[in-house]
Amino acid sequence: ETGVTQSPTHLIKTRGQQVTLRCSSQSGHNTVSWYQQALGQGPQFIFQYYREEENGRGNFPPRFSGLQFPNYSSELNVNALELDDSALYLCASSFGGQAGRTGELFFGEGSRLTVL
Amino acid sequence: GDSVTQMEGPVTLSEEAFLTINCTYTATGYPSLFWYVQYPGEGLQLLLKATKADDKGSNKGFEATYRKETTSFHLEKGSVQVSDSAVYFCALRRSNYQLIWGAGTKLIIKP
Repeated sequence: ETGVTQSPTHLIKTRGQQVTLRCSSQSGHNTVSWYQQALGQGPQFIFQYYREEENGRGNFPPRFSGLQFPNYSSELNVNALELDDSALYLCASSFGGQAGRTGELFFGEGSRLTVL
Repeated sequence: GDSVTQMEGPVTLSEEAFLTINCTYTATGYPSLFWYVQYPGEGLQLLLKATKADDKGSNKGFEATYRKETTSFHLEKGSVQVSDSAVYFCALRRSNYQLIWGAGTKLIIKP
């Protein structure tokens, strides 16, 4: 069984640039959620995708957007990067539209983004 | 709004000591409660959960009881090992299935 994989693991961007982060969900999972984890803090929910549709969103501006593909992999896109976007971005997968219903999310190791 | 508060770390203990990491929450309704663990260099993993009041979650020697009257979900272990060194996160699940997380507590176990 393949776990959740994310790429890239580390990247550095400058203010105003755009970034795309990728996530392959665990085999058999159809729901992906994205979290932002700033240093020393808990994860903050960005949004969730179920069967290619966004079905939940946290308190993040529209410059944070995403996609889910037919194979249930997902992308997180961030436009007009700001210094405060520097964080670890976590992808989590689960099965079922009610992702997190049991709280059993399976996490990747994250993509660490540094914005200079 | 909903929130989770954990005791600040790091918590440093000797091997075989008793562990308690406090977690309290604020939420409307009846959330489900979770503890996740992040070992060095690894992703977050579900440690245990409880879905209703008075439920006790347990795994790998860790336990936590859902206390509605005190809005708490404290994590305990009777005898910690060096391998338990990690960051522990308490979280609650909102009715829309979004997880709300505490800030995490770093645990350091010395041999």
